[in-house]
This record gives sequence, C-alpha cells and structure tokens, in this order.
Amino acid sequence: GQQLNQSPQSMFIQEGEDVSMNCTSSSIFNTWLWYKQDPGEGPVLLIALYKAGELTSNGRLTAQFGITRKDSFLNISASIPSDVGIYFCAGPGGSQGNLIFGKGTKLSVKP
Amino acid sequence: GAVVSQHPSRVICKSGTSVKIECRSLDFQATTMFWYRQFPKQSLMLMATSNEGSKATYEQGVEKDKFLINHASLTLSTLTVTSAHPEDSSFYICSASEDYGYTFGSGTRLTVV
Repeated sequence: GQQLNQSPQSMFIQEGEDVSMNCTSSSIFNTWLWYKQDPGEGPVLLIALYKAGELTSNGRLTAQFGITRKDSFLNISASIPSDVGIYFCAGPGGSQGNLIFGKGTKLSVKP
Repeated sequence: GAVVSQHPSRVICKSGTSVKIECRSLDFQATTMFWYRQFPKQSLMLMATSNEGSKATYEQGVEKDKFLINHASLTLSTLTVTSAHPEDSSFYICSASEDYGYTFGSGTRLTVV
C-alpha cells in the first residue's frame, strides 16, 4: 500500500528558531494534510493542500504541495513553547478512503 | 468548522469486561467514520471503516468479534471492545470525513487492568 516517509523523526530546538519537516511518497497524492497532535488528544488539522505547487500559510505555519505530488513540507517560523507536539503528514490514500499517516515528527521547544 | 465528539476521553476497566466508545459528528452527517488505534510513540493505524447502515470493514489483523462497530445513524458510530484484556490498552481515535476533509475526535485512552 501507499506509505508516507516523514522526517525528521524528532527535533529539539530553541524557542524562536524556525523548523522544517517534510514528507515524501513513492506514489502520487492529490491532497496533502498536516496535523498536530498534543499528548492525549486527537490530531488537529493545521493546513490542507489540494494543488501541486500550492503554498499555503496558517499564521506562523507554511506548507507546500510538491510539484510532483509526491512530497510536501511544513515550516514553522519563530517557534514558541506551545508548538511542542507531534506533527503528522497525511493523505487520503487508503483503500477505504481513509487517511494514511506519516510516522510523525516530535517537536520539542526549549524556552 | 466540523466537530467530532468522542466519549469517554479516558476509561479504566477490568479484564474481561466490555467498553463502549462513542463518536459523534456534531454539525454534519458522516456516512463514513474511521476508527484508529495509536500505540505510544507511534502513528495512527486504521482499525476499521464504519459505514452507516452496513457492516464495518476491518483491516487485516483486526478481530471483528473483539472490536464491534455499530454505525446506526449518520451522526453516531460506536466501537465496543469486548472481553477486554490488558493488551487492548491503547489510545483509540475516531475520524469522520466530510466536504472539508477529515476531522478527528479527541481520542479515548483505554486502560485494562
């Protein structure tokens, strides 16, 4: 089945630094989604990308849908402590119309 | 925006008992809901797809008799963990798809003692 390769697995940064994480796939996705999950909570949608080449921002977050439709990146600028959590990329590639998830990037921010 | 309500958020049960988890779409109708399981430090794994008015579709390796799914209405799907054992302890998350994408419930932490 389709798989999403997400990197890095974890990041430890200083408050105020910028962060970048990415996701790649061996097959084409028509939609890329980026979610954040806080401990003990469900994932919350951050950004949705629907067109190849699309660059979308949500506050300090920016995400791009790769031209080949096989990759996407998420940038967080000027990180703050509340950015801590696990970030997942996802795409609707499951056989039941379900989302397939990357393995997540755990972000830690040092004040 | 779309809201999915999941209850309970935490449950502790004795081994051998059954636990029911509810997932409701509050402001939209969901003909399809998804149930995921998440182990510590891992990603979400699809367990089953719940279809309103028909039988659920289970992923390979998921016991349908242990994880009973009922999708009786367009706004409610339930997952019942039957005869729970400690190895069933996990974080269970539901999701519903609608026009704007996929919305997740807040998850249920199940601990079987």
